[in-house]
Amino acid sequence: GENVEQHPSTLSVQEGDSAVIKCTYSDSASNYFPWYKQELGKGPQLIIDIRSNVGEKKDQRIAVTLNKTAKHFSLHITETQPEDSAVYFCAAIGGGYKLSFGAGTTVTVRA
Amino acid sequence: EPEVTQTPSHQVTQMGQEVILRCVPISNHLYFYWYRQILGQKVEFLVSFYNNEISEKSEIFDDQFSVERPDGSNFTLKIRSTKLEDSAMYFCASSWAGGPPDTQYFGPGTRLTVL
Repeated sequence: GENVEQHPSTLSVQEGDSAVIKCTYSDSASNYFPWYKQELGKGPQLIIDIRSNVGEKKDQRIAVTLNKTAKHFSLHITETQPEDSAVYFCAAIGGGYKLSFGAGTTVTVRA
Repeated sequence: EPEVTQTPSHQVTQMGQEVILRCVPISNHLYFYWYRQILGQKVEFLVSFYNNEISEKSEIFDDQFSVERPDGSNFTLKIRSTKLEDSAMYFCASSWAGGPPDTQYFGPGTRLTVL
């Protein structure tokens, strides 16, 4: 089955700096890659996703890139703000609609 | 904005007891899912449900687990005889209101503690 690895496990950035989280996947058939943000006491919230026919997608301060050849995808957050502090999960779907998750990255934005 | 809701937020039970976790998916969604996250581990897929039947399940989802959509709004996960290792956060998700069915929206979770 699909195996998703995520790095780093923790990330501390100064407010206003950029944050980058990287994920790799094992199943070359995977074609959908969402990113979720989880705040304390809440469920994972979908923040952006990308499909295999696209190399990059942006939504305001958030962007995701996908390299199908290397089987990796990344989340980029620019101009980080304190409200960006949370746990971020990458995930991938190969066959069916079963999401395989990375282990999560705890992002802390220092004021 | 529509959202997935789950009850209860925290459930404590004795080993061997049955528990039912409840979810109300987004109203016009057609696919429903359960995932779980054991403390310190990855979020793991348990089961997906479409058209009143299981469409996919993981190895975790053995005979002790069952799912049901008892009416037009609720989606439940039943664990017949809980084990200590069933202690985890259980997330319900739903997808597809005309959009891609793989875009899944999650509820806040139920923390299950088995003593």
